[in-house]
Amino acid sequence: GDSVTQMEGPVTLSEEAFLTINCTYTATGYPSLFWYVQYPGEGLQLLLKATKADDKGSNKGFEATYRKETTSFHLEKGSVQVSDSAVYFCALSDPNAGNNRKLIWGLGTSLAVNP
Amino acid sequence: EAGVVQSPRYKIIEKKQPVAFWCNPISGHNTLYWYLQNLGQGPELLIRYENEEAVDDSQLPKDRFSAERLKGVDSTLKIQPAELGDSAVYLCASSSGLVGETQYFGPGTRLLVL
Repeated sequence: GDSVTQMEGPVTLSEEAFLTINCTYTATGYPSLFWYVQYPGEGLQLLLKATKADDKGSNKGFEATYRKETTSFHLEKGSVQVSDSAVYFCALSDPNAGNNRKLIWGLGTSLAVNP
Repeated sequence: EAGVVQSPRYKIIEKKQPVAFWCNPISGHNTLYWYLQNLGQGPELLIRYENEEAVDDSQLPKDRFSAERLKGVDSTLKIQPAELGDSAVYLCASSSGLVGETQYFGPGTRLLVL
């Protein structure tokens, strides 16, 4: 079945450091891919998405490129801020899943950015 | 545009008591989801509605959990009786129902069962 694997945390960085959170997936078709972010005490927010191969999603300085050849959707940011401290979830939606269509979630990666 | 609204935000109850959570999705969204999220983990789908029909409730513990979406808009999730292990955050999300659609989440209800 479909699955999402993302790097384990916690990840601790200093402000202005470069961030990469790896995410790889398995799916039978051509899924849509998402990164959600959850700030402390809040609900999940969509950070960015990509719906087809080679698409790049971007938002708030974060980017992720849908790589079908490597089945990956790694999240990157060139210079993190303290306010980026949160838990990041990679997820996929498989349009071929029919009535079982739902988001498949990674386990989440906790990011702490120190000033 | 208003987002997904959930209430209450927090609930503390004693075990064996009933509890109910309410969700109002984004206007026009046909699909509504209830998730459970334990601390430090990702969301786990409990039930998905397409309009008023529950199309995926395979993960809903039906002995104690129930849900309804009578008019295809608001939804209520109920637990009766609650157990200690039900302490978690209960998230509601909605989407347009199109293929590859984005799910938009509410702030969640944090439940503590004592």
